[in-house]
Amino acid sequence: AQKITQTQPGMFVQEKEAVTLDCTYDTSDPSYGLFWYKQPSSGEMIFLIYQGSYDQQNATEGRYSLNFQKARKSANLVISASQLGDSAMYFCAMREEKGFQKLVFGTGTRLLVSP
Amino acid sequence: GAVVSQHPSRVICKSGTSVKIECRSLDFQATTMFWYRQFPKQSLMLMATSNEGSKATYEQGVEKDKFLINHASLTLSTLTVTSAHPEDSSFYICSARDRGGENTGELFFGEGSRLTVL
Repeated sequence: AQKITQTQPGMFVQEKEAVTLDCTYDTSDPSYGLFWYKQPSSGEMIFLIYQGSYDQQNATEGRYSLNFQKARKSANLVISASQLGDSAMYFCAMREEKGFQKLVFGTGTRLLVSP
Repeated sequence: GAVVSQHPSRVICKSGTSVKIECRSLDFQATTMFWYRQFPKQSLMLMATSNEGSKATYEQGVEKDKFLINHASLTLSTLTVTSAHPEDSSFYICSARDRGGENTGELFFGEGSRLTVL
């Protein structure tokens, strides 16, 4: 069974600083996908970044990068140059590549960016 | 990106009534849609996988008779909360995958529906 762990209930960062949100996962499948989503107070889920288990390079999308360490089964999200609008809940998720390809979420980390 | 629309965004109902939530993929066809439930300050919990033209697959612990899912077309899935009670009050979010999309297979999420049962 899949398992996603986010050990940081909350994180604080000052504007313009970088922050790392931790995510570890557990799966017996060799093929899987890892995602990060942002959920502001409005409730919508905003896709940030994707990493495939066979991808050789770490994914990057603008200010977001994913520090993928396959042997350690970690997929930390790095946000560079934090902005006030980055304050939100952040969820790490894993998709199994078999069957219905369900997406399973971690418990989330609430990020607060201060001026 | 692809658009998934949920309706209604907010609904308040009396205990014992049934509530239907719609999830539509507006610009793509979705063979599979997923329904999630999110309690305040908690994560999204997968309730069921909705497949077009077949019965939904429910996660362990989710009552299929309580949460009726119908996926009658490639662009519409509905979740009906039957005989709703206050403990069913939650944020319900649907998501869909573009069956023909050349992408990472990311799920596109609806805006969510906040159900309050009085």
